[in-house]
Amino acid sequence: GQSLEQPSEVTAVEGAIVQINCTYQTSGFYGLSWYQQHDGGAPTFLSYNGLDGLEETGRFSSFLSRSDSYGYLLLQELQMKDSASYFCAVKDSSASKIIFGSGTRLSIRP
Amino acid sequence: DAGVIQSPRHEVTEMGQEVTLRCKPISGHNSLFWYRQTMMRGLELLIYFNNNVPIDDSGMPEDRFSAKMPNASFSTLKIQPSEPRDSAVYFCASSLAESYEQYFGPGTRLTVT
Repeated sequence: GQSLEQPSEVTAVEGAIVQINCTYQTSGFYGLSWYQQHDGGAPTFLSYNGLDGLEETGRFSSFLSRSDSYGYLLLQELQMKDSASYFCAVKDSSASKIIFGSGTRLSIRP
Repeated sequence: DAGVIQSPRHEVTEMGQEVTLRCKPISGHNSLFWYRQTMMRGLELLIYFNNNVPIDDSGMPEDRFSAKMPNASFSTLKIQPSEPRDSAVYFCASSLAESYEQYFGPGTRLTVT
């Protein structure tokens, strides 16, 4: 089966850097994705890692280590609008279905 | 493109009534997913279709739930009869089958009293 673990809540200060970790167990692996969801909104795609290493998109970066079954999302120069839930997700062995983690609620203080 | 379209956006119904949720995927996408989200259970995959064919419905909670995709541009999720524990936000998402990126609709907030 598949499972993903990520912290349920993280708090950070505006302007700071925060890292949200994700570990996974899957029968097949086709990449790790990250989604953002604001309260009352729908999940939206942020990033994808298919290979080991760091992918950078503006203030957001995502990292993957396949040997450790581990990844993280790094948010820099935090802004109040970054307050949201962040989900890691993996494609399952069929490479069609995406399995989502339980989400990390990021709260940002001024 | 308008993105994934869901209707209705909000639905309030009484226990025992039939509820039908509708979804129009992004044109050209050949995979469609129905999710349910609650505080307690998070984001749960209910069922997904590839090329209009149901592939995995193992997440459908019970026989009261059914889903159809009669063509590439339309899908429904039906609950009959509805129960208060079905209250949740139901999302539809679409993607290209080989893609890692899913596009979510705005969701339908269902309240069953």
